[in-house]
Amino acid sequence: DAKTTQPTSMDCAEGRAANLPCNHSTISGNEYVYWYRQIHSQGPQYIIHGLKNNETNEMASLIITEDRKSSTLILPHATLRDTAVYYCIVSPGGTSYGKLTFGQGTILTVHP
Amino acid sequence: SAVISQKPSRDICQRGTSLTIQCQVDSQVTMMFWYRQQPGQSLTLIATANQGSEATYESGFVIDKFPISRPNLTFSTLTVSNMSPEDSSIYLCSVGGGTLDQPQHFGDGTRLSIL
Repeated sequence: DAKTTQPTSMDCAEGRAANLPCNHSTISGNEYVYWYRQIHSQGPQYIIHGLKNNETNEMASLIITEDRKSSTLILPHATLRDTAVYYCIVSPGGTSYGKLTFGQGTILTVHP
Repeated sequence: SAVISQKPSRDICQRGTSLTIQCQVDSQVTMMFWYRQQPGQSLTLIATANQGSEATYESGFVIDKFPISRPNLTFSTLTVSNMSPEDSSIYLCSVGGGTLDQPQHFGDGTRLSIL
């Protein structure tokens, strides 16, 4: 299964864009990149996912490099409520289908 | 996305006892999973709950300790058996992900403390 690497922590000022990087150099051709976040005392919340193209939804944008070895989650206007642990996950296929491997994620702190 | 309800939301139990956690979904789903999140740690997959067959356990987790039922497409239970303080964790169920292009969605978990 493809592994991901994320910075341990990041800070962002409220109202500014938060750009969270993720490396997934061993990703396979049919595997998707998923982003989740976990706010304290809650279950992980799905944010966005993508295969090759950049994606945008009401929560965030996902930029995937052309070689698919890395991606960036962008929160365009971070708020204090975006403070959370952000997980970048490669969705496995084959016999590991559906079995998500959570790393330690990036602790994003949004400050006033 | 599916609405997932877990019961109980939290509990404090005595060592040596067992607790059954319920996961109810508001729609039929093919895949259900159980995860554990130990204090200060990330999530670890315990098992895949298969409807109509035995659950599939990950390395380090066994059926005698974590028996799972999946009687239908909207419900599953996880039992934590013969509990010890090391079992103090958050237990979460997730659903969905029927294809690589479908996200999983998580319940808010059951916070379990063992005295």
